[in-house]
Amino acid sequence: DTGVSQNPRHKITKRGQNVTFRCDPISEHNRLYWYRQTLGQGPEFLTYFQNEAQLEKSRLLSDRFSAERPKGSFSTLEIQRTEQGDSAMYLCASSSSGAYTEAFFGQGTRLTVV
Amino acid sequence: AQTVTQSQPEMSVQEAETVTLSCTYDTSESNYYLFWYKQPPSRQMILVIRQEAYKQQNATENRFSVNFQKAAKSFSLKISDSQLGDTAMYFCAFMKLNTGNQFYFGTGTSLTVIP
Repeated sequence: DTGVSQNPRHKITKRGQNVTFRCDPISEHNRLYWYRQTLGQGPEFLTYFQNEAQLEKSRLLSDRFSAERPKGSFSTLEIQRTEQGDSAMYLCASSSSGAYTEAFFGQGTRLTVV
Repeated sequence: AQTVTQSQPEMSVQEAETVTLSCTYDTSESNYYLFWYKQPPSRQMILVIRQEAYKQQNATENRFSVNFQKAAKSFSLKISDSQLGDTAMYFCAFMKLNTGNQFYFGTGTSLTVIP
């Protein structure tokens, strides 16, 4: 297992188009997180899955955003009707469950909306 | 709400010297974790060091150590014997213990190690 994998690494899209990103976590990890990182800022929490259940969503996750994790394996993050303000790095992280376990991050998907 | 503040957007240090990155946080929680993550250019974030709030002893990982001042809500990172590979963005992060264990990150400090 080579760690958390995210695809694509880069995505350029026109405003108004829909985009979908994929995250493959470390195989034995049952927790999966999505974060958004804009230029000059630290990552901001978007949503979190425990297995296939989406347990928490940030208010940053507007109704144009949807995330899924079918069968508790990989996850997808879809943005509908993209806006220029959606341009950011989208990071995925995974961890095991427990009081504390280390979270491992992917390299991210950089989205540019033109 | 939890907030994490890193007041040094950019820092530089000569190779082999020591540098300290500052971080303050605000929370009403009594039990939490604090972290420093490193994000090299175009690479994923990796954990540098973590500190459990209930532990008084400062965490140390090889050349990296922290100065955790719980009452002052301060959590600085000291890098000793700086190496060129330490050049990266460094993020301070807070995690309160709940079912989600999500992170709250600061805005980061860009560290450049000068040969």
